[in-house]
Amino acid sequence: QSVLTQPPSVSGAPGQRVTISCTGSSSNIGAGYDVHWYQQIPGTAPKLLIYDNNSRPSGVPDRFSGSKSDTSASLAITGLQAEDEADYYCQSFDRSLSGSVFGGGTRLTVL
Amino acid sequence: EVQLVESGGGLVKPGGSLRLSCAASGFTFRSYSINWVRQAPGKGLEWVSLISSSNRYIYYADSVKGRFTISRDIAKNSVYLQMNGLTGEDTAVYYCVRERIPWNYGSAGDHWGQGALVTVSS
Repeated sequence: QSVLTQPPSVSGAPGQRVTISCTGSSSNIGAGYDVHWYQQIPGTAPKLLIYDNNSRPSGVPDRFSGSKSDTSASLAITGLQAEDEADYYCQSFDRSLSGSVFGGGTRLTVL
Repeated sequence: EVQLVESGGGLVKPGGSLRLSCAASGFTFRSYSINWVRQAPGKGLEWVSLISSSNRYIYYADSVKGRFTISRDIAKNSVYLQMNGLTGEDTAVYYCVRERIPWNYGSAGDHWGQGALVTVSS
C-alpha cells in the first residue's frame, strides 16, 4: 500500500490527452512538499519528467505538464505518442515518515 | 557528465549481508544528497534511504530501519548501503539517485544509476 495513490493504469489513443492523478495527505503533498514525476520504460532506470510540481527538466517535451492542488497532483500528457507508453510514478516528501514517498505507479498504454 | 554507478549486488541467503556501492562522477559530490531507491521484480519504486550533503541528515524507510546503514566517503566520491538481516522482501533492483538541488534534501532525483540487483534466496 503506497503512501501516494495513483491509478494502476490509464490509456489513450495517439494524439489524445491523458491525465494521471496522485493523491496524498496532509503529511506530504498537503503539507506543502513538492511533487515530482518520473517516467520508466520497462527494463530501464526511471527518468525525471517533472520536478517541483510543474517544471520540466531540459529535454522533456512540453507535451508533459504537472499541477498540484491541496493534497493531490496530476500529470498531463497531450498529443500522445507511442513512445510515451511507460510506467509513471509520482514522488513527494512525507514529514511524518521523514523520507520520500512514491505512488504505486501508473502504466500508460497507447492504444 | 553526471554518472552514478552501482556495484555490489548479487545473490545472498536469508539473514545474510551485502554492501552496495555507488560511485559518483561528473559533479561536486560533497554538495548533493544521495538516495537509495529500490524496485522489487514487477513492483513499483520504494524509497529506502537518504544521506544529505553534509551527512547531517540520514533517514531510512521503516522497512529497513535497524538493518540497513547508509554512509558516504567524500574522498572516494562514493555512497554505500550496508544491508544486514536480509529477507526475501529485500529482493530488488537498488538504484542510487542524486537529488537535483545542492546543499538541500528532499528534492527531485535528477540522476539515477543503472541499478544493482540484489536477490535474497536460499
